[in-house]
Amino acid sequence: AQSVSQHNHHVILSEAASLELGCNYSYGGTVNLFWYVQYPGQHLQLLLKYFSGDPLVKGIKGFEAEFIKSKFSFNLRKPSVQWSDTAEYFCAVTSSNTGKLIFGQGTTLQVKP
Amino acid sequence: NAGVTQTPKFRILKIGQSMTLQCAQDMNHNYMYWYRQDPGMGLKLIYYSVGAGITDKGEVPNGYNVSRSTTEDFPLRLELAAPSQTSVYFCASSYSSRNTQGETQYFGPGTRLLVL
Repeated sequence: AQSVSQHNHHVILSEAASLELGCNYSYGGTVNLFWYVQYPGQHLQLLLKYFSGDPLVKGIKGFEAEFIKSKFSFNLRKPSVQWSDTAEYFCAVTSSNTGKLIFGQGTTLQVKP
Repeated sequence: NAGVTQTPKFRILKIGQSMTLQCAQDMNHNYMYWYRQDPGMGLKLIYYSVGAGITDKGEVPNGYNVSRSTTEDFPLRLELAAPSQTSVYFCASSYSSRNTQGETQYFGPGTRLLVL
């Protein structure tokens, strides 16, 4: 069965620090990869996604993620975080076969001003 | 467009009570989904629908029922509420589930349910 693993459950950073959140998935076929963000008290919003082409994907608010097929990974990065990036981040995967979205357990990011 | 809307925002139920969580979308999406979100567990798919009149079970369907009589609406029914159903429920929709082009799921604001 497909699964998604996010290695960091809770990350605390100071403003201007660099961010990398890990995401690994288990599925050998063609996948589509997503990062969603949930700001406090709000619903999930799409941050970025990959379905084909350039494995380095740029999203909103300066976030980017790199799809490394050989490592089954889709890590999220941001060179300099802001206090407003405090949120919960979810990695998600679908396969072209099932189309169902499988979520990781989420990473809570706390950015200290 | 309002996108995906959910009502109510918050509800407290007693064990054994029933209720319906409402979900509507105005984007003419054919796929709709219900998830529950529990702390440290991510989101789990409860039920989904690929179009009006068609529904199917997700990962955690027990204790829930759904119907899809129209493209716009996808209500989730709890018949006999249990404390284990205390959670935040999110409805989502997408144009297609095939994700051949990386179709995005759009989420509603959520319904927070407490069963006591």
